[in-house]
Amino acid sequence: GAGVSQSPSNKVTEKGKDVELRCDPISGHTALYWYRQSLGQGLEFLIYFQGNSAPDKSGLPSDRFSAERTGGSVSTLTIQRTQQEDSAVYLCASSSRVGGYEQYFGPGTRLTVT
Amino acid sequence: RKEVEQDPGPFNVPEGATVAFNCTYSNSASQSFFWYRQDCRKEPKLLMSVYSSGNEDGRFTAQLNRASQYISLLIRDSKLSDSATYLCVVNLANAGNMLTFGGGTRLMVKP
Repeated sequence: GAGVSQSPSNKVTEKGKDVELRCDPISGHTALYWYRQSLGQGLEFLIYFQGNSAPDKSGLPSDRFSAERTGGSVSTLTIQRTQQEDSAVYLCASSSRVGGYEQYFGPGTRLTVT
Repeated sequence: RKEVEQDPGPFNVPEGATVAFNCTYSNSASQSFFWYRQDCRKEPKLLMSVYSSGNEDGRFTAQLNRASQYISLLIRDSKLSDSATYLCVVNLANAGNMLTFGGGTRLMVKP
């Protein structure tokens, strides 16, 4: 079946502009996660959605970052007034409560802020 | 202390060698454990879950030691294609569906 998809695959933007990154989770997965990975670094948790519960936003680095999940499926991560330190790969993952906690990742969006 | 700790490596091994990675976790009540593999400039992919009794998948063997709070991954007969970063991943107690990722151990298999 279809895996997690993300768009765009690459995004170059100028400092100060807003960007939106999209994630389509695996159909039927109730949990969705956003992570960030800078070059050569580990995964940095950003935000987590579980069903209709309030999201866990504890990993968002600043109030310039926000995310929505509409209809329990597609999610959008928005970064306002981008800064050069926002340059990273943004990874989305989804998981199902049935069968375990394994997360399945999308291919990521590579964001470059110039 | 980090919640999930791994030696970053790199581990440089020749083809055909056996290599083992360890990972320690801080929370003794952790429930679920995984190894993920991440190739350069790619997303992490689930390699295998780690069960209490230990489990094997082809050349890969995973072990869990709850008393010492560590997980291991053994790769036998290393292939060039095994070169990647291996991430130790733990579902910490009281974390719901959340997984905590270690920083990864880099493996380079050389001809």
